[in-house]
Amino acid sequence: QSALTQPRSVSGSPGQSVTISCTGTSSDVGGYNYVSWYQQHPGKAPKLMIYDVSKRPSGVPDRFSGSKSGNTASLTISGLQAEDEADYYCCSYAGSYTFRYVFGTGTKVTVL
Amino acid sequence: EVQLVESGGGLVQPGRSLRLSCAASGFTFDDYAMHWVRQAPGKGLEWVSGISWNSGSIGYADSVKGRFTISRDNAKNSLYLQMNSLRAEDTALYYCAKDWALGDAFDIWGQGTMVTVSS
Repeated sequence: QSALTQPRSVSGSPGQSVTISCTGTSSDVGGYNYVSWYQQHPGKAPKLMIYDVSKRPSGVPDRFSGSKSGNTASLTISGLQAEDEADYYCCSYAGSYTFRYVFGTGTKVTVL
Repeated sequence: EVQLVESGGGLVQPGRSLRLSCAASGFTFDDYAMHWVRQAPGKGLEWVSGISWNSGSIGYADSVKGRFTISRDNAKNSLYLQMNSLRAEDTALYYCAKDWALGDAFDIWGQGTMVTVSS
C-alpha cells in the first residue's frame, strides 16, 4: 500500500496555470474512477476540491479541474490566485470490495 | 452546522493504548461511512481506517492492521479508534472525516486530535 506519487512542489505566477500529477497503479488510480483532491493550508484541516476524478463540490471555484489517464490523475489550477498557495493531496480508492484508500505524497503549490 | 470534533489524544508511552473519539453533529450520522486519517508532524496525509454506516464493512491501512480497531455508536453520533501497541511512528494528528454523499471522497473533516507516542 504505497503512497501515490506527486511532485514535491510546483509554482506559478498569478493568472497562470499549474498542473499537479498523481501517479499510482492499476490497483488504485488506474483501477477506479475514485480519485479525489484536497487542499490544505498550514494548520488547517484538508478541504475537498475534486471528487470522482473530475467533479467539483459546490463552492469550489471552476478554476480547479481534475482528469485521469491510465494510472495518473491530474489537478489543474487555472488563473492561479494568491489564496491557492497551499499543500494539495490526491487520494484514490484502492479497495477491492472493502474500505481501502491511499493518499498521495503531497504537493506544495507556491504562487510567485 | 455540520461538525466533527475529535478528542482523546495525548502523550502515551510505546506499547500502551489510547482511544480516540469523534463527536458528529449537524447531519444524520448513521447515513454515512466514516474514516480516520492521520498526519505525522510535517508529513503528508495517511488514511488509517474506515467503517460503513452500519459497521458491516471495515477497512484498515496495513500500517495499523491488527493494532487499531475502528467502531461507531450511531445512537451517540460517535466514531471511535482504539489504538493498541502504539509505536513512535503512530505519532500524528488524527482527523475524523465523513464520507461524501455524492461520490467517493471525504467532505467534512474535524480539526484533529494529536497523539504523541514517546517514552
